Amino acid sequence: GESVGLHLPTLSVQEGDNSIINCAYSNSASDYFIWYKQESGKGPQFIIDIRSNMDKRQGQRVTVLLNKTVKHLSLQIAATQPGDSAVYFCADTFGNEKLTFGTGTRLTIIP
Amino acid sequence: GAVVSQHPSRVICKSGTSVKIECRSLDFQATTMFWYRQFPKKSLMLMATSNEGSKATYEQGVEKDKFLINHASLTLSTLTVTSAHPEDSSFYICSARDIEGANEKLFFGSGTQLSVL
Repeated sequence: GESVGLHLPTLSVQEGDNSIINCAYSNSASDYFIWYKQESGKGPQFIIDIRSNMDKRQGQRVTVLLNKTVKHLSLQIAATQPGDSAVYFCADTFGNEKLTFGTGTRLTIIP
Repeated sequence: GAVVSQHPSRVICKSGTSVKIECRSLDFQATTMFWYRQFPKKSLMLMATSNEGSKATYEQGVEKDKFLINHASLTLSTLTVTSAHPEDSSFYICSARDIEGANEKLFFGSGTQLSVL
């Protein structure tokens, strides 16, 4: 079946710098995309979402970019902080059905 | 934001026993809840979709007699791991979808770490 995958399993960023986490999805019919943050031993926490009729959406310190042409999704975190260290998952869905999660990227913020 | 409560957070049991995990939506109603399994350093794998008042829908390869799901009310779904064995040790996570409006966001519980000895 189709799945969502991530390019990089780990990413280390200096505190205060910006980070970019990438995700490739394969279902061209997906119309809703979400980024989740998961800290060790906890459930995923919603960060930001975007629908397929948009190519950019901004939140507090986070921006999600969607490129439907190449089926690519990215999460930008500005001015990273130690609390941003976690595993980040992208997920996609079509028609409000079940989510398909990517493999995850572990982001480590270096003090 | 919406809160999903999952209990217990950690359970250790002997092989052959059954373990029940509860998932509650605290401030919203959820006709649909989802159960995931996660191995260390791996992504979430959907096990089943729990539907209030009807049978759960299981993903391919998930034994429905092994993982019993009950969704008796709009705020509670339970997952029972029957006759647990060491290979069932994993992190189990539930999520719930708010039925109000067009909110498609899933809210996740804090997870249950199951260790079967």
